[in-house]
Amino acid sequence: GENVEQHPSTLSVQEGDSAVIKCTYSDSASNYFPWYKQELGKRPQLIIDIRSNVGEKKDQRIAVTLNKTAKHFSLHITETQPEDSAVYFCAASRLSTAGNKLTFGGGTRVLVKP
Amino acid sequence: SQTIHQWPATLVQPVGSPLSLECTVEGTSNPNLYWYRQAAGRGLQLLFYSVGIGQISSEVPQNLSASRPQDRQFILSSKKLLLSDSGFYLCAWSGEGLSYEQYFGPGTRLTVT
Repeated sequence: GENVEQHPSTLSVQEGDSAVIKCTYSDSASNYFPWYKQELGKRPQLIIDIRSNVGEKKDQRIAVTLNKTAKHFSLHITETQPEDSAVYFCAASRLSTAGNKLTFGGGTRVLVKP
Repeated sequence: SQTIHQWPATLVQPVGSPLSLECTVEGTSNPNLYWYRQAAGRGLQLLFYSVGIGQISSEVPQNLSASRPQDRQFILSSKKLLLSDSGFYLCAWSGEGLSYEQYFGPGTRLTVT
């Protein structure tokens, strides 16, 4: 089955700096890569996703890049703000009519210091 | 718009007691439904998923079971809880068929004592 590894496990940045989180996956057939943000005690919220036919996607201060050859993808947050502090999870799946079974990475705790 | 509900929000149960967690989705039909568990400070582990009424697939063998008695209702059960069943249980949904985005419910925090 799919295996997703995520690094770093914790990340501390100064407000205004950029944050980068990296994930690698094992199943070359995976074709969907979402990122979730989870605040303490809350549900994970989908913040951005990318499909295997795209190399990069941006949404305001957030961007995701995908390298299918190397089987890794990254989340980039620019101009970080204190409200970006949370745990971020990457995930991968091979979409089929049998459902979208996400395999998650272990998470990255991001702390943005004001 | 679509809304996903879970209850109860929190639950404290003794070892060996039964469990029933419920998840319902509004505003969509024939969704794909998922149960995940998140241990404290850890990632999310897929437990069960369902693409239709009565259709359940298990990802991890354990003392939990799932059922989908209605199109938009998904239930997670156990006959006898173990200490290791403690965690944050999250239900999620995605659209039917080839639908990518998956959205989570508010979760149930279960403590087994």
